[in-house]
Amino acid sequence: EAQVTQNPRYLITVTGKKLTVTCSQNMNHEYMSWYRQDPGLGLRQIYYSMNVEVTDKGDVPEGYKVSRKEKRNFPLILESPSPNQTSLYFCATAGQGVDNSPLHFGNGTRLTVT
Amino acid sequence: AQSVSQHNHHVILSEAASLELGCNYSYGGTVNLFWYVQYPGQHLQLLLKYFSGDPLVKGIKGFEAEFIKSKFSFNLRKPSVQWSDTAEYFCAVSYDYKLSFGAGTTVTVRA
Repeated sequence: EAQVTQNPRYLITVTGKKLTVTCSQNMNHEYMSWYRQDPGLGLRQIYYSMNVEVTDKGDVPEGYKVSRKEKRNFPLILESPSPNQTSLYFCATAGQGVDNSPLHFGNGTRLTVT
Repeated sequence: AQSVSQHNHHVILSEAASLELGCNYSYGGTVNLFWYVQYPGQHLQLLLKYFSGDPLVKGIKGFEAEFIKSKFSFNLRKPSVQWSDTAEYFCAVSYDYKLSFGAGTTVTVRA
């Protein structure tokens, strides 16, 4: 079954404690991206990756890091989380890039930073 | 950065009513257009997409959307909604390898 798997689903942490949200896909998709969803703001892109070892900033990259060492995984790293990063995070993939492929979304990670 | 505007923040209607959600974008070049739906507690799912060809696009669950290039619009429609259409709807526009979403419209259908 084609899947985009995010872990964890829920995470509560404290300011400054480094965390990683994992994303894994089994569809051999080249394009992977991270979004955050906030009420009234829709989805905003944090980072995206066109292929292995190729990553680019989205619209709201500050405070986040990503890596794409292998095709199937695209972890999101918060080195020093702050309360304004409390949000719902989605990983999404596309077969050939967003210009001609729809996105497949993971189930989301709800992060609370206190 | 491109902008995507959804006209309504929250729409409330009764079952069997018709639905139209507006979406406008700011780019003048070639774009691809999408509508996604997010049911309560779930992730986003694709409703329909427009890449080229017939500007009237039909999607799943009886939804359709019309691309009007001169108006930079891609409005979503459904002739008769059901209670199960209660969800949040997002318009998205792709341009130059990026994808931007609108702020979303919450649709509440009353039985």
